[in-house]
Amino acid sequence: NAGVTQTPKFQVLKTGQSMTLQCAQDMNHNSMYWYRQDPGMGLRLIYYSASEGTTDKGEVPNGYNVSRLNKREFSLRLESAAPSQTSVYFCASSELGGGQYNGYTFGSGTRLTVV
Amino acid sequence: AQSVTQLGSHVSVSEGALVLLRCNYSSSVPPYLFWYVQYPNQGLQLLLKYTSAATLVKGINGFEAEFKKSETSFHLTKPSAHMSDAAEYFCAVSSHYQKVTFGTGTKLQVIP
Repeated sequence: NAGVTQTPKFQVLKTGQSMTLQCAQDMNHNSMYWYRQDPGMGLRLIYYSASEGTTDKGEVPNGYNVSRLNKREFSLRLESAAPSQTSVYFCASSELGGGQYNGYTFGSGTRLTVV
Repeated sequence: AQSVTQLGSHVSVSEGALVLLRCNYSSSVPPYLFWYVQYPNQGLQLLLKYTSAATLVKGINGFEAEFKKSETSFHLTKPSAHMSDAAEYFCAVSSHYQKVTFGTGTKLQVIP
């Protein structure tokens, strides 16, 4: 099925460890996003990529890095995980261009626990 | 700048009763408005969207929302709640080609 695929679905890290969250979309969307979701805080934008070859900081970028590998893939890296990064991470994509704006398509999320 | 305020982090309704989830927005330009639904342990799914074509928007699963510019509101309604409607609902705002700003969510509980 067409959509956004995130891996892994679950991960437990020790403080200071690093890891990369993977995201791929097969809808030929130009824009991709990484959000974190915490109870009572809704979704907060970490980084986004408006188009292939560009990335920009969102609302809460500290402690994260991203790579837009190609049009399909957008990865999020935690270089030195901290307990404050325990969260559910969502990748999303959207088309960019003329016509009606159709909102975002979300992946199913990565549940990350840092101990 | 744009923002969204969802009134009530938790809403409980009886099965068969009216569902009303409130959303007010702020935007300096004509907005696009969205409602997303998130079922437990899943990602967000688009429920419906307003993109200026019509003020009353119908979405999936019997939900609808009305854009009221004078009240800067985009409340979500469903005439009769079903147990399967229990989920968290997010209102969101965007403007032309801009990033989406999400509200903090409203958890809907449906009581049998």
